[in-house]
Amino acid sequence: GNSVTQMEGPVTLSEEAFLTINCTYTATGYPSLFWYVQYPGEGLQLLLKATKADDKGSNKGFEATYRKETTSFHLEKGSVQVSDSAVYFCALSPINNAGNMLTFGGGTRLMVKP
Amino acid sequence: KAGVTQTPRYLIKTRGQQVTLSCSPISGHRSVSWYQQTPGQGLQFLFEYFSETQRNKGNFPGRFSGRQFSNSRSEMNVSTLELGDSALYLCASSLEGGEGYTFGSGTRLTVV
Repeated sequence: GNSVTQMEGPVTLSEEAFLTINCTYTATGYPSLFWYVQYPGEGLQLLLKATKADDKGSNKGFEATYRKETTSFHLEKGSVQVSDSAVYFCALSPINNAGNMLTFGGGTRLMVKP
Repeated sequence: KAGVTQTPRYLIKTRGQQVTLSCSPISGHRSVSWYQQTPGQGLQFLFEYFSETQRNKGNFPGRFSGRQFSNSRSEMNVSTLELGDSALYLCASSLEGGEGYTFGSGTRLTVV
């Protein structure tokens, strides 16, 4: 079956530090890959996505590249801000597009200190 | 454009009762899916509806059910509530499914 593995948190960084959150997946074929962010007390917000190998998703300074050879989709940001403190979820969606069924990783809590 | 609306935001129920949660998708979105989020199990897929038909189902007991109406609004129902059903229930909608999903803010259910 499909699965997503994320690095465990919390990840604590100082403002302006470089961020990497690792994500690897197991799936049949080439799924679509997503990063979602959840702020306290809220639902999930789509941060970025990639639908095929070597695609790079980017948004708000965050980037992730779909690496087929390593089955990875690591999230990066060059300079984090206190407002980036949240929980980040990596997810995949089956390639057959036979429905809306996301498989999520366990989430990584990011804490950014001023 | 309005986002995904879930009602109610908070709910407290007693063990053994049943509960119905509501989700109004983004206008034009035909796919609605439901997820359960708990600290222990994380985010787990419950089911997905597309054009009033259940298209996918997760690994949850039959106490969890749902439906979708002709206007794409969806409800999920949990019968005979257990303490372990306490969770944040999230609804997500998309045009067809697979291209990206917009989530609502969730309904936090507490079973006492």
